[in-house]
Amino acid sequence: DQQVKQNSPSLSVQEGRISILNCDYTNSMFDYFLWYKKYPAEGPTFLISISSIKDKNEDGRFTVFLNKSAKHLSLHIVPSQPGDSAVYFCAASVRKAAGNKLTFGGGTRVLVKP
Amino acid sequence: DSGVTQTPKHLITATGQRVTLRCSPRSGDLSVYWYQQSLDQGLQFLIQYYNGEERAKGNILERFSAQQFPDLHSELNLSSLELGDSALYFCASSVASGIQETQYFGPGTRLLVL
Repeated sequence: DQQVKQNSPSLSVQEGRISILNCDYTNSMFDYFLWYKKYPAEGPTFLISISSIKDKNEDGRFTVFLNKSAKHLSLHIVPSQPGDSAVYFCAASVRKAAGNKLTFGGGTRVLVKP
Repeated sequence: DSGVTQTPKHLITATGQRVTLRCSPRSGDLSVYWYQQSLDQGLQFLIQYYNGEERAKGNILERFSAQQFPDLHSELNLSSLELGDSALYFCASSVASGIQETQYFGPGTRLLVL
């Protein structure tokens, strides 16, 4: 059972435009959500996160929106730059004393065209 | 650079063999997580250690084991290797366990079992 899903495997966008990446989850216990960017042959790089008590978090060109009722989050990148071309993963965790394992979506490959 | 280091970067071995992957967390981080990324399974949580103790287990095979040492570095041991164990293995670290927190990933070890 895939608890975190990224239904778009790929996205192509023109440089300077907005990139919107989507992520859906099924586990209502998730209370912390993160986005990571991954280049080939490198580890995931943390981009931005959001707690379930918020509905928006912004950091520079990156904004994450959380809709708890729809169990949906999205990442907006504005403006998109060629260096943003990478695979983006959303991840979710449940805060508990035993540990905070991350459950990842399958990833969305973003290509920003100059 | 996330501050998490992993060695070796690449590993080629044969079926039935045993290998050890090493991870050094970021300075000050007490939690270490291991993840496996394979082509068909995406990024999957294996196991977490916090300050030397096992805290959480994911879908880790019995042939795999891990430990965290007093200096907080961790090792993931993979034995009786099979072709299907070929994957990228990532280590991540975070400050503490039990709060909403960000995990920072190392560059990974690419394991190829022939």
